[in-house]
Amino acid sequence: DAKTTQPPSMDCAEGRAANLPCNHSTISGNEYVYWYRQIHSQGPQYIIHGLKNNETNEMASLIITEDRKSSTLILPHATLRDTAVYYCIVRSNAGNMLTFGGGTRLMVKP
Amino acid sequence: KAGVTQTPRYLIKTRGQQVTLSCSPISGHRSVSWYQQTPGQGLQFLFEYFSETQRNKGNFPGRFSGRQFSNSRSEMNVSTLELGDSALYLCASIQAPGTDTQYFGPGTRLTVL
Repeated sequence: DAKTTQPPSMDCAEGRAANLPCNHSTISGNEYVYWYRQIHSQGPQYIIHGLKNNETNEMASLIITEDRKSSTLILPHATLRDTAVYYCIVRSNAGNMLTFGGGTRLMVKP
Repeated sequence: KAGVTQTPRYLIKTRGQQVTLSCSPISGHRSVSWYQQTPGQGLQFLFEYFSETQRNKGNFPGRFSGRQFSNSRSEMNVSTLELGDSALYLCASIQAPGTDTQYFGPGTRLTVL
């Protein structure tokens, strides 16, 4: 599975949009981009995933560049409860193994 | 639908002992993966089971083992515990390999003294 690069930490003001970038320049054609988040000491929570089209659900939006080498997770109106470590993962649907990097620690501030 | 459940949630053991952790996947999910999370190494893949068969194994010593039962429930076992085995052990369930999304349980926090 392709390696991803994320900034180690980011701050966001409560109520504002949080834009979390992820670089995955070696992604292959059959690999999906997944986003999970982990609130302290809990199990990772699935947020969203996509292949090449932009995706939106009740939690977030995922914007994938046309060349698929990077993506951005958008939390449209961040709340204090969105404070967590966000992981961007690239994997093919051929297997279940997820390779987690260091993630981005998002701090939402009042 | 109930989520992934893991038992126990917390466990304290001493060096040299062995431990068994349990995971019940989401109803209808037939594949289970296990991960170890430590502050130093982050989240690392341990192994994956589908239909009672191990499909993939991460880079962990043989002291770490697992199995899956016919009802898809899974257990992992760590023998001869070491201090470095202290970690959050996470289980994830998925309907079948290569499909859909993995959903994680709350984890079992193992402390080895």
